[in-house]
Order: sequence, then structure tokens, then C-alpha cells
Amino acid sequence: QTVVTQEPSFSVSPGGTVTLTCGLSSGSVSTSYYPSWYQQSPGQAPRTLIYSTNTRSSGVPDRFSGSILGNKAALTITGAQADDESDYYCVLYMGSGIWVFGGGTKLTVL
Amino acid sequence: EVQLVESGGDLVQPGGSLRLSCAASGFTFSTYWMHWVRQAPGKGLVWVSRINSDARSTNYADSVKGRFTISRDNAKNTLYLQMNSLRAEDTAVYYCARDTAYGMSVWGQGTTVTVSS
Repeated sequence: QTVVTQEPSFSVSPGGTVTLTCGLSSGSVSTSYYPSWYQQSPGQAPRTLIYSTNTRSSGVPDRFSGSILGNKAALTITGAQADDESDYYCVLYMGSGIWVFGGGTKLTVL
Repeated sequence: EVQLVESGGDLVQPGGSLRLSCAASGFTFSTYWMHWVRQAPGKGLVWVSRINSDARSTNYADSVKGRFTISRDNAKNTLYLQMNSLRAEDTAVYYCARDTAYGMSVWGQGTTVTVSS
């Protein structure tokens, strides 16, 4: 069974830039997987940041951007702020009506 | 305002059943695919099920296939998840979400299901 991989944790300095990735245990992520990205703070529902690789959800600042980097989907946060400290999840559409989430990345801003 | 509101979560014994509901408002519910996603305590998000706009097509994660049934009533703008043969590992917060371009674009606040004796 294909596993969607994410870095378990990452840290970034305030004002800095960080790129989180979303890969496959076997194979490469392409736009055909329609990668999307979500931010979740403790005790809160997920918030959609990016869908269909690079489409920003309504109200999401342009500090957040999505792309394909090499064989992975990527979420880049520029000008990191303290309230960006959250868990970040990606999900890939595997085809045949099946979606798989990655395990999530805990981002620390310090 | 686009909104999804889940309800129906409860404490249920192993082997029991529960039906979750998700009331949609602020958008044309009947034109969107919908998902259920769950999150066990302290764990990550897990996709559970999807239904297309006219309810003719449904899909499930292997972990719930044969036990859970997703459905919708477009006249009532409501999504459902019927959960049978519940297990301790089904304990989670269950979120409904609207699909946009094969991603989840709008989320509800979640409803908590606890399976325990």
C-alpha cells in the first residue's frame, strides 16, 4: 500500500522561508495527484491552504504557495510568522475515488 | 457564509452503531462531492469516505469498508455517515468536508465519536 510521506517536524525562524514536502513511498507526485495542503492548530478543525497543487484557498495569504519540486509536492511558507506554528497535512488523490493523507509535519517557528 | 456543521457524535459500545450528520449551508450542496475525514486522539488526519454529487458513486478507506456507509440528501442539504460494527480504533473526531478539484476546500468543526465499553 502506498504511503504518503511528510517530514515529521520542521523549524523555521521568524521571517524565514520553509518548504514542506509531500512524497510517495513509491513513485513520484505529479499534478495528477491533485496535492492539497491543510493547516491545523491544536483543538481546531483543519484549514485549507492550497488545493490542486498550487491554487490558494480563499483568504489564504500569498505567503503560502504550492508547487511540485522534483518528485514531491511542496508547500512553501515565506516570511514565517509565530501563528504559522501548526501541524501541516497534505493529501493526494490516488485515483479510483481514494485519497490518502500524509502523516503531517509539525512546524515550529523559533 | 459557507458552512458545514456536524452532529451525532457520541459514546457508543464496541459493536454498536451511530449515524453522523453534516448540515451544509451557504453553497449549492447538490453540486459538490463531499468527504468524511477522521482524526484519532493525538494522531493525524485520515480520509474515510467520499460521495459524488448525485450519490451514485461512493468510495471508502479499507479500514471502514463494509462497516460504514456514506449518503446524502440533497433536498435537505445534509451529508450522513452510518457507522456500524464500531471498534475502539474508530474513536476519533469526524469532520465532513466539501471537495473542490479533488481536495477538501471547506471543513466542518468536527463531531467526536468514542467507542468504549
